[in-house]
Amino acid sequence: EVRLLESGGGLVQPGGSLRVSCEVSGITFSNYDMSWVRQAPGKGLQWLSGISGSGGKTYFADSVKGRFTISRDNSKNTLYLQMNSLRVEDTALYYCVLKGGSGNYYSAFDFWGQGTMVTVSS
Amino acid sequence: EIVMTQSPATLSVSPGERATLSCRASQSISTSLAWYQQMPGQAPRLLIYGASTRATGIPARFSGSGSGTEFTLTISSLQSEDFAVYYCQQYNKWPPFTFGPGTKVAIK
Repeated sequence: EVRLLESGGGLVQPGGSLRVSCEVSGITFSNYDMSWVRQAPGKGLQWLSGISGSGGKTYFADSVKGRFTISRDNSKNTLYLQMNSLRVEDTALYYCVLKGGSGNYYSAFDFWGQGTMVTVSS
Repeated sequence: EIVMTQSPATLSVSPGERATLSCRASQSISTSLAWYQQMPGQAPRLLIYGASTRATGIPARFSGSGSGTEFTLTISSLQSEDFAVYYCQQYNKWPPFTFGPGTKVAIK
């Protein structure tokens, strides 16, 4: 069974930093692209960032480019999102997502974690 | 960026009835379209990919169709557990991956 378990969310002040993590089990982690998707309270889904299976390619939404960094440690089956210069509007539930297809460009998001809540407030 | 739209925003349906949800892309995405279901308080889960292929374990009452810019998700006979929010997503041209705003299927 594939499992994605996020951690690291919490309350942070505007301008602060936070790193969230996602531990993946039940699958050969390094074979799969991963992404982070967030959902503000009562709102829809917003893709933020993605990373290739090897970690060599990374992608960002314009809204977080330059502020967020994505990385992975394939030896630990763990995905990370480093968030800097946080804003009130970054308050959301952050989901770790596994993209299917073993690196195939045209693949959907097969598996989702339960999310970790990040609240940006003074 | 490809913009995804969904209609209606809310669909009120009685249990056992058929529900038809629409999704439109701002440009052609071939069949690189997925549908996700999000129940209250839960993470989204993949229902349909490739516009019409059910994901593992998804009941046959869920079906998807369409290509290009127009797509449909049909739930043939609504069960109590199907009342949820449904999102479409394109993965034809990324980054960014883009989602529609969602359709809430509510009990009538």
